[in-house]
Formats: sequence, C-alpha cells, structure tokens
Amino acid sequence: GQQLNQSPQSMFIQEGEDVSMNCTSSSIFNTWLWYKQDPGEGPVLLIALYKAGELTSNGRLTAQFGITRKDSFLNISASIPSDVGIYFCAGLTRGGADGLTFGKGTHLIIQP
Amino acid sequence: GAGVSQSPRYKVAKRGQDVALRCDPISGHVSLFWYQQALGQGPEFLTYFQNEAQLDKSGLPSDRFFAERPEGSVSTLKIQRTQQEDSAVYLCASSRRDSSYNEQFFGPGTRLTVL
Repeated sequence: GQQLNQSPQSMFIQEGEDVSMNCTSSSIFNTWLWYKQDPGEGPVLLIALYKAGELTSNGRLTAQFGITRKDSFLNISASIPSDVGIYFCAGLTRGGADGLTFGKGTHLIIQP
Repeated sequence: GAGVSQSPRYKVAKRGQDVALRCDPISGHVSLFWYQQALGQGPEFLTYFQNEAQLDKSGLPSDRFFAERPEGSVSTLKIQRTQQEDSAVYLCASSRRDSSYNEQFFGPGTRLTVL
C-alpha cells in the first residue's frame, strides 16, 4: 500500500542534541499526525496538525504542517535517553472516516 | 477502560489454523480501525468501523480476513486458514466521531506468528 516518504531512516545522536525528521508525500493530506512506538507497544500519539502552515509544540517536541499539505517535520530539542524509539508520521486525506497512511519510521538511537 | 486494549498480546498459529484477535476501544469512541504492521514497517490500514457499520475494508489483503463489530464496541479480526505471510503485529485504534478531531489512539497490538 501507499506509504509516506519518511527520513532519515535512522539517527544516531548524542544525548542533549536536537533532532529533526520529516515526511513527504506526492498526495495532499488534511491532517498530519506524529507517533512514537516503543518495542512491543502500539504507536503513541505525540502531535496532531490540522491546518496547512500550522506549527505546534508539545514540550520539547515541535511539528509543522507544510504549506503545500504534502509534508511535515518533527523536531525534538535537547534529546534525553527516553526519546529512543521509532517515530512515525501519518497522514489523513479525509475526515474521521479514514485510515491513516504511515511513513516507514525514523529509528532514533541515542549514543552514550 | 482508559485506553485501547487488545488480546491476546501474542498468538502462535500453525499454518492453516483460524485465529481471532480482539480489540476493546476507548469507551465512547465511535470509530475503530485495524492495521497490520510487518517487521520494520509502518502500520498499514486494513479496515474501519463507525459504530457497528464496516465502512471501509479496502485494506484487507484477502477474503481470508474478516472483521466484525456487532454491537458497535468490541471488535474481532478473524483470519482463516492462516499463512506464513500473515505473521505481523495487528494493531487496533479508536477515535472520536467528531471529524475535526482525527487523532487515532492505538492499542498495544497482537503479535501473530504463523509457523
């Protein structure tokens, strides 16, 4: 099935560094969502974006909904060990009656 | 309950067996979704319910896959005559009906291994 282009695939960073990841699509989405998934668990919602150009923060996380509605980015500032995990972007084309289209994920690894 | 729950958490089946996976959505959530997540991939949409009505089943990979939500709450995903390629994590998600709020909240998933 269709998936979003998410990059980078993996990131190796030092604790305290800032992180940036993004998603692009050839299709327009009306909603962008960012999730984090830990091993053996389901994805946990981090940030939801509903309007083109919207910039939303949740603690150390900041995400933006691209103006073209075909892209989104997620930034994490001052990374800490518990930020380790897989981050997924997901898009919705219609309203609530819609299955999410997911990216392949960005695996964040924090080096000691 | 406070979150989406799924059972069993792990299921091992022999090829050809039928399996049934259960999902309990967040109380009051009208919409329910099933996804399949292969190893190292993002989840892929299988099917969607609004209350008891299955409004979209376009993602079901074959007619061996069947989902139901007879009373508009608990849902069951059934896979008949399982094949090795069915091995994956099956995720359930629920959301509010209001189309302005599209956040889907996920359960922990059921990891299915077909031998």
